[in-house]
Amino acid sequence: GENVEQHPSTLSVQEGDSAVIKCTYSDSASNYFPWYKQELGKGPQLIIDIRSNVGEKKDQRIAVTLNKTAKHFSLHITETQPEDSAVYFCAASIGVGGGNKLTFGTGTQLKVEL
Amino acid sequence: DAGVIQSPRHEVTEMGQEVTLRCKPISGHNSLFWYRQTMMRGLELLIYFNNNVPIDDSGMPEDRFSAKMPNASFSTLKIQPSEPRDSAVYFCASRPTGVNEKLFFGSGTQLSVL
Repeated sequence: GENVEQHPSTLSVQEGDSAVIKCTYSDSASNYFPWYKQELGKGPQLIIDIRSNVGEKKDQRIAVTLNKTAKHFSLHITETQPEDSAVYFCAASIGVGGGNKLTFGTGTQLKVEL
Repeated sequence: DAGVIQSPRHEVTEMGQEVTLRCKPISGHNSLFWYRQTMMRGLELLIYFNNNVPIDDSGMPEDRFSAKMPNASFSTLKIQPSEPRDSAVYFCASRPTGVNEKLFFGSGTQLSVL
């Protein structure tokens, strides 16, 4: 089955700096890569996703890049703010042929310091 | 839209007792997922349903775990008998029709088995 690795496990940045979280996946058939943000005491919430026919996607301060050849994708947060502090999860899915199940990375605890 | 509703939010029980977790998906969503989150193993998919039918239960740890979806608006995850290693946060998530559509998570049930 699919295996998703995520780094780093913890990340501390100063407010206003950029944060980058990286993930790799094992199954070349994966074609959907969402990112979720989980705040304390809450369930994960989708913040951005990318499909295999796109190399980069941006939504305001958040961007995701995908390198299918290398089987890795990254989340970039620019101009970080204290409210960006949370746990971030990457995930990969093979789609209909693979049961359309999401496999999650182990999470990155992001702390934005004032 | 009330989102995915889970109950109870917290459950503390003794080893050997039966535990039932409940989930109400978002109206109109036809896929429902049960995940378990622990520090050691991250987010693990236990089982998912399409149109109330269990599609893949390969993530269910053992026979002590069972899940049902009697109708489109309700699902349960039961553990009988419970063990301390079952302590975790259990999330229910739902998704509308379509491939790789956004997954909506509930707030989770924090289960502690003493």
